[in-house]
Amino acid sequence: DAKTTQPTSMDCAEGRAANLPCNHSTISGNEYVYWYRQIHSQGPQYIIHGLKNNETNEMASLIITEDRKSSTLILPHATLRDTAVYYCIVRVAGVGNQFYFGTGTSLTVIP
Amino acid sequence: GAVVSQHPSWVICKSGTSVKIECRSLDFQATTMFWYRQFPKQSLMLMATSNEGSKATYEQGVEKDKFLINHASLTLSTLTVTSAHPEDSSFYICSARPPRANTEAFFGQGTRLTVV
Repeated sequence: DAKTTQPTSMDCAEGRAANLPCNHSTISGNEYVYWYRQIHSQGPQYIIHGLKNNETNEMASLIITEDRKSSTLILPHATLRDTAVYYCIVRVAGVGNQFYFGTGTSLTVIP
Repeated sequence: GAVVSQHPSWVICKSGTSVKIECRSLDFQATTMFWYRQFPKQSLMLMATSNEGSKATYEQGVEKDKFLINHASLTLSTLTVTSAHPEDSSFYICSARPPRANTEAFFGQGTRLTVV
């Protein structure tokens, strides 16, 4: 699986959009970009994933660059409960294919 | 979304004893489940892939005789930490995916193991 690079930490003001970047310059054509988050002492929570098109759901938006070498997770209106570690993972789709976690970005939403 | 449940949520055991952690997929069948370990302030580290009806596949550096994995049914995988030592104290997390193409994995709530 391709490696990802994320900033170690970020701050965001409550109510503002949180934009979390991820570089995956070695991504292959059949690898998807997944985003998860982990709130302290809990299991990771799925946020969103995509292959090449931008995606949006009730939690967030995922913007993937045209060359697919980077992506941005957008939380449109950050709340204090969005404080967590956010992981960007790239992997080939398939039931048996593992998720390997990098170091992630620790997002702190500030009141 | 789909639910993956772990039990227990936390456990304290004496050094030298064995501890079993259960991982259940509650509303889907999972031929494959994954076990992770997470130390404080670190990321999740994949330990092994649990395959229903066959042997688990362990990541490099993970002792298969110490971390016994059994995936006896399509909804249950167990991780047994044998002869536990204080250095095995960690947060253990399992995950599973529904058997559909291009779906996300769902994670259990984790099990906090403390060996004293």
